[in-house]
Amino acid sequence: GQSLEQPSEVTAVEGAIVQINCTYQTSGFYGLSWYQQHDGGAPTFLSYNALDGLEETGRFSSFLSRSDSYGYLLLQELQMKDSASYFCAALNDYKLSFGAGTTVTVRA
Amino acid sequence: DAGVIQSPRHEVTEMGQEVTLRCKPISGHNSLFWYRQTMMRGLELLIYFNNNVPIDDSGMPEDRFSAKMPNASFSTLKIQPSEPRDSAVYFCASSPGLGTDTQYFGPGTRLTVL
Repeated sequence: GQSLEQPSEVTAVEGAIVQINCTYQTSGFYGLSWYQQHDGGAPTFLSYNALDGLEETGRFSSFLSRSDSYGYLLLQELQMKDSASYFCAALNDYKLSFGAGTTVTVRA
Repeated sequence: DAGVIQSPRHEVTEMGQEVTLRCKPISGHNSLFWYRQTMMRGLELLIYFNNNVPIDDSGMPEDRFSAKMPNASFSTLKIQPSEPRDSAVYFCASSPGLGTDTQYFGPGTRLTVL
């Protein structure tokens, strides 16, 4: 089966940096995605890593180490609007398996 | 460009009733996914289609659940009969093709079964 582990919640102040770790156990692994979901909203795509290394998209970066079955999402220069749930998702056999999500709360 | 469209946005029904959820994927997308989200179980994949053909329905919880995709622009998820434990938010998502890294989610249908 598929298994992804990520912290349940993180709290930080505006302007800070937050790292959300994700470890996975999955067969047929293609890559690791990250999705953001605001309360009451739909998941929206943030990033995808198929290869080892760091992918940067504005204030958000994502990292993957296939040999360690590990990835992380880095949120920089936190803003209040970044308060949301963040999900790592493993792409395997053409489908996504989601972690339980990390609730990020940004405080002024 | 319209995103994934789902209807209804909210549905309240009584146990035993039939429920039909609808989804219109993004035009040109060949793959469609149905998910269910609850606090207890998180975001679960129920079934997905490619080119209107069901590929994997291993996530469908019971025979009470069925899904169809009669054409490239429409899919339904039906629950018959519904039970209180089916209460959840049901999301439809589409992607350009299988294995594509990005899935585009619709706004979801919040289902409450009394």
